[in-house]
Amino acid sequence: QVQLVESGGGVVQPGRSLRLSCAASGFTFRSDAMHWVRQAPGKGLEWVAMIWYDGINKHYSDTVKGRFTISRDNSKNTLSLQMNSLRVEDTALYYCVRDPAGSGWAFESWGQGTLVTVSS
Amino acid sequence: QSVLTQPISASGTPGQRVTISCSGSSSNIGSRNVNWYQQVPGAAPKLLIQRDNQRPSGVPDRFSGSKSGTSASLAISGLQSEDEADYYCAAWDDSLDAIVFGRGTKLTVL
Repeated sequence: QVQLVESGGGVVQPGRSLRLSCAASGFTFRSDAMHWVRQAPGKGLEWVAMIWYDGINKHYSDTVKGRFTISRDNSKNTLSLQMNSLRVEDTALYYCVRDPAGSGWAFESWGQGTLVTVSS
Repeated sequence: QSVLTQPISASGTPGQRVTISCSGSSSNIGSRNVNWYQQVPGAAPKLLIQRDNQRPSGVPDRFSGSKSGTSASLAISGLQSEDEADYYCAAWDDSLDAIVFGRGTKLTVL
């Protein structure tokens, strides 16, 4: 079955960097778009970034553009999110999400999330 | 303020039918598929409705989606206690080149 396992979260000071990873299995990773979605404590869902199946086209929310970089390694079935210049407001649970080809931007599978806390 | 507007809360008694609305614009709901997600406390979100009105495998037919113009709705019939959760609508927005979520609707089963 589809598995998405995030890692890399932790406590970091404002202005510092963190790199999240997501190990994917149970589906043809190289065929599907992938996203990061986050959820601040007690708040709603916020889309962060996406990367197309081939790793070429990427999109970011305005709140992270220029600070975060999404990437993927289709040979290792892994998705990454490099987060630089972190802010207190980036504190959230970060979900790795699968968007199957032809699904109409439907987030079919979600990981359990990795918690990022930005605090001095 | 979210691009997609949902009511903050909704409620119903067991067996009732409830609907949750999601209002957008021509750059998102008006031209793109709407997807709905259910998130029970402490769990990751789950895809409930895709492409406006399609239920993924395993989703009970008590859940249905519809869309008209720049608004969409999620209907839950035969309400059950386990339906108590947060519900989010989402769509791609052509103006923002981004996925946009509604703020979420907290459904309470009385």
